[in-house]
Amino acid sequence: GEDVEQSLFLSVREGDSSVINCTYTDSSSTYLYWYKQEPGAGLQLLTYIFSNMDMKQDQRLTVLLNKKDKHLSLRIADTQTGDSAIYFCAEWNDYKLSFGAGTTVTVRA
Amino acid sequence: GAGVSQSPSNKVTEKGKDVELRCDPISGHTALYWYRQSLGQGLEFLIYFQGNSAPDKSGLPSDRFSAERTGGSVSTLTIQRTQQEDSAVYLCASSFGGRDYEQYFGPGTRLTVT
Repeated sequence: GEDVEQSLFLSVREGDSSVINCTYTDSSSTYLYWYKQEPGAGLQLLTYIFSNMDMKQDQRLTVLLNKKDKHLSLRIADTQTGDSAIYFCAEWNDYKLSFGAGTTVTVRA
Repeated sequence: GAGVSQSPSNKVTEKGKDVELRCDPISGHTALYWYRQSLGQGLEFLIYFQGNSAPDKSGLPSDRFSAERTGGSVSTLTIQRTQQEDSAVYLCASSFGGRDYEQYFGPGTRLTVT
């Protein structure tokens, strides 16, 4: 099955860490992605991880994968106002992406 | 070009009219994808091209929707006899190959059917 779920909203104080969560259902080996969408813009590929990995770090971004629970998270350290956006979790299925509904992250001063 | 480009950025059309949406992928990318983003359905896959061929058209919502790609580059998504439920943002993405894991998206075309 191809079903990606994520929480819809997250509010975080500037300078704190943000954690966005996602669950997926496909049991085969796959790639899992985080995309960012700012208002009026397309999707920006932030990072991705292969399902045989547990963690991937890229500057302020840390992706954690719990393969047993099919749980993916994105941690943003030292969250800034420019991080306010919608974050989409996606799962790669052969060649196409299946997306979650998106988490709207609001950064407050 | 430096990134995926799409035109027009916004399109307002009357119900029943035909529209064409254009996508210009990243130079050298052989795979091209169309997705649709709407309030009710979220982000959904429409069609995938490898070169000029479309091995998967399964996401096209109805036979009013068609797409083509010429010269392994530019793609056009055509919607005939538009309906209000076609209102959405149409996003195009490209990748180096069909099994390349990095898809890069364009800014989208916002279609409004009145």
